[in-house]
Amino acid sequence: GDSVTQMEGPVTLSEEAFLTINCTYTATGYPSLFWYVQYPGEGLQLLLKATKADDKGSNKGFEATYRKETTSFHLEKGSVQVSDSAVYFCALSDQTGANNLFFGTGTRLTVIP
Amino acid sequence: EAGVAQSPRYKIIEKRQSVAFWCNPISGHATLYWYQQILGQGPKLLIQFQNNGVVDDSQLPKDRFSAERLKGVDSTLKIQPAKLEDSAVYLCASSFQRGPTDTQYFGPGTRLTVL
Repeated sequence: GDSVTQMEGPVTLSEEAFLTINCTYTATGYPSLFWYVQYPGEGLQLLLKATKADDKGSNKGFEATYRKETTSFHLEKGSVQVSDSAVYFCALSDQTGANNLFFGTGTRLTVIP
Repeated sequence: EAGVAQSPRYKIIEKRQSVAFWCNPISGHATLYWYQQILGQGPKLLIQFQNNGVVDDSQLPKDRFSAERLKGVDSTLKIQPAKLEDSAVYLCASSFQRGPTDTQYFGPGTRLTVL
């Protein structure tokens, strides 16, 4: 079945460091791919998405490229800020028409000043 | 635009008791989802509604969980009787439709603790 494997955390970085959170997926067909973020005390928010191979999603300085050949959707940011501290979830949407989301286990990022 | 509303935010019950959660989706969103998020895991879909009909409830433990969306707007998720392993955050989400590019918007969740 469809699944997402996400880099385990927690990840602790200093402010302005480069961030990569790895995500790979298993799916039949061509799923849509997402990164969701959960800030402390808040609900899940969509950070970015890509709906087909080689698409790049971007938002708030974060980027991820849909790589079909490596079945990956790694999240990157060139310079993290303390306000980026949150839990990040990679997810895929199946292609059955039901739009069900399959989530990874989440990666907790802490950015220290 | 108002987001997805959920209540209560927190609930503590004893095992074998019953509990109900309420969700009000974003206005105009036809599709509503309930997810269960156990501590340290990603959310897992329990049930999906399209208007007032069930699209997918294959992961819903039907012996104890039930959900309804009678008028195609608000939804209620019930657990009866609760077990210790039901302790989790219950998330409600909605989307305009259920296409693969339709974004799901999540509510703040209800944190359930079963003692």
